[in-house]
Amino acid sequence: GAVVSQHPSRVICKSGTSVKIECRSLDFQATTMFWYRQFPKKSLMLMATSNEGSKATYEQGVEKDKFLINHASLTLSTLTVTSAHPEDSSFYICSVSGAFDTQYFGPGTRLTVL
Amino acid sequence: GQQVMQIPQYQHVQEGEDFTTYCNSSTTLSNIQWYKQRPGGHPVFLIQLVKSGEVKKQKRLTFQFGEAKKNSSLHITATQTTDVGTYFCAGPGGGSNYKLTFGKGTLLTVNP
Repeated sequence: GAVVSQHPSRVICKSGTSVKIECRSLDFQATTMFWYRQFPKKSLMLMATSNEGSKATYEQGVEKDKFLINHASLTLSTLTVTSAHPEDSSFYICSVSGAFDTQYFGPGTRLTVL
Repeated sequence: GQQVMQIPQYQHVQEGEDFTTYCNSSTTLSNIQWYKQRPGGHPVFLIQLVKSGEVKKQKRLTFQFGEAKKNSSLHITATQTTDVGTYFCAGPGGGSNYKLTFGKGTLLTVNP
């Protein structure tokens, strides 16, 4: 399967600042990547589908102006949490779409907003 | 919209006991996938089932896909402490963008 990295693995920021999270597909050209959010002991909540060279597709209820997604190349997608607030604290995970609908996940980024 | 339900939400077993988690979809699925997430980790793809009634085994893990392609199960024989984690099932969410609908997961804890 695909090898996916995320950076940073952990980030602590002050309320009101913006945070950028990178998701890289290291050995696979990823036309499609996904961004999820996961609360402690909860399931994965799909935030958006990131498509290389085009606008991301956001799930219902996800603010596109707050969670900016850029997929500028076949190996890199970024998620920027703008004007972060404590309620944005969460575990953010990206995944790469593999063969036959399977997904390969990055190690995740734990965001804490103070 | 499509819903994928999983039971139980939690399961605690003694090491050596068997474990089963069940997954049900509100719609017929073209395939079903299982993922495992260790505590503090990220989901890892385990297996994909495609055919009606399909059964696949990975060592002590047995995966089944129902005849109607709407339900699935994961059975672990003689659990070990390394089996601890949350097991998610997932099915294609429809459309052409390859997204998946995940169940809420079953958290398995194993008492040594």
